[in-house]
Amino acid sequence: EAGVAQSPRYKIIEKRQSVAFWCNPISGHATLYWYQQILGQGPKLLIQFQNNGVVDDSQLPKDRFSAERLKGVDSTLKIQPAKLEDSAVYLCASSPTTTGELFFGEGSRLTVL
Amino acid sequence: GQQLNQSPQSMFIQEGEDVSMNCTSSSIFNTWLWYKQEPGEGPVLLIALYKAGELTSNGRLTAQFGITRKDSFLNISASIPSDVGIYFCAGRSSSNTGKLIFGQGTTLQVKP
Repeated sequence: EAGVAQSPRYKIIEKRQSVAFWCNPISGHATLYWYQQILGQGPKLLIQFQNNGVVDDSQLPKDRFSAERLKGVDSTLKIQPAKLEDSAVYLCASSPTTTGELFFGEGSRLTVL
Repeated sequence: GQQLNQSPQSMFIQEGEDVSMNCTSSSIFNTWLWYKQEPGEGPVLLIALYKAGELTSNGRLTAQFGITRKDSFLNISASIPSDVGIYFCAGRSSSNTGKLIFGQGTTLQVKP
């Protein structure tokens, strides 16, 4: 069974530029999560989707971050404009249900200069 | 908001030693998950716990769901060099939408 796929693995941009990350969850997983992991910290939830609907986006900085999950499968996370403090690894995870175990992708490492 | 306190922050042990780490919460959880993360990789699920008092093993790893439902423990027996990594606890309460909250992680280093 294929795992969670993410791209790109690495991205370096300058502040005020924009960036987008893509995630393809495990086939059949209805729940998809985006987490932000700053170096030395645990992952912090940004947004949770159930199929193509948003379940929780309470910690998403909506003035600069946006995410969508069209058709309830793939998802993209966008940052515009990026700030220095956005430098982190962006992890995508999927789960069969909202109460199930999460399976993570390898992450997309963002460096903002 | 909900917080998880994970300890110790880091451990440096000799190969063959046993390891214990724990996680405590300010609120009641109905699910505890333990993950391991290696450099450049995403977290990998080790053990899942769904019932208070539950004790579950996965090879040399054993985890317990605390009776109070506010804590969980992970033990690694007879550590080996490949156990090196960062171990995260994660908890989910019944009062929200299934949001999984992570601890700060325990960094484990094993000396051969």
